Amino acid sequence: QQPVQSPQAVILREGEDAVINCSSSKALYSVHWYRQKHGEAPVFLMILLKGGEQKGHEKISASFNEKKQQSSLYLTASQLSYSGTYFCGTDGSSNTGKLIFGQGTTLQVKP
Amino acid sequence: ETGVTQTPRHLVMGMTNKKSLKCEQHLGHNAMYWYKQSAKKPLELMFVYSLEERVENNSVPSRFSPECPNSSHLFLHLHTLQPEDSALYLCASSHSAGPGYEQYFGPGTRLTVT
Repeated sequence: QQPVQSPQAVILREGEDAVINCSSSKALYSVHWYRQKHGEAPVFLMILLKGGEQKGHEKISASFNEKKQQSSLYLTASQLSYSGTYFCGTDGSSNTGKLIFGQGTTLQVKP
Repeated sequence: ETGVTQTPRHLVMGMTNKKSLKCEQHLGHNAMYWYKQSAKKPLELMFVYSLEERVENNSVPSRFSPECPNSSHLFLHLHTLQPEDSALYLCASSHSAGPGYEQYFGPGTRLTVT
């Protein structure tokens, strides 16, 4: 079941904050966050694991509510370089590395 | 070379052609993946290989045939494709195929089927 991301798109001014949400109808083991700039490969941002463990870039923060099967990515004091499409990927308890990605949230940061 | 590389970067092929996409990872990872990314669609997982064994086949048509000769290389053999197969094909790798391992993506091959 594909996770649902919201909002679909957001436009910010530099320095403003944004929150991107990811919801699943299935129980999750982990939530992955990636950013993809136009014409480039997706880049890993963060993983949040069931039980509270997180790993990722220091400047990125996110939360994972296991009960609600939701994750949120917090982008604070946004910079122009934050522009791109953000994807969440979710997996259940499989051990095959199978991720199901959301449809993406397009973020545009303007000067 | 570092990270994950893919060749070719662009490919145009007719529906009756046979071609192959190549992916190489220089990260010492044990799992490799093929994804399809179509316009306005989410990333779709196609195949997962762990320690050179296919562990996931996400209902992909048989005209796509993966091959993983060793843990550093992954191929996607293409034959008798359809125009709807035109997309960006991304390769990724991770330390392990278990849950909770981040994936590192290559730049992709932009495939156009005419």
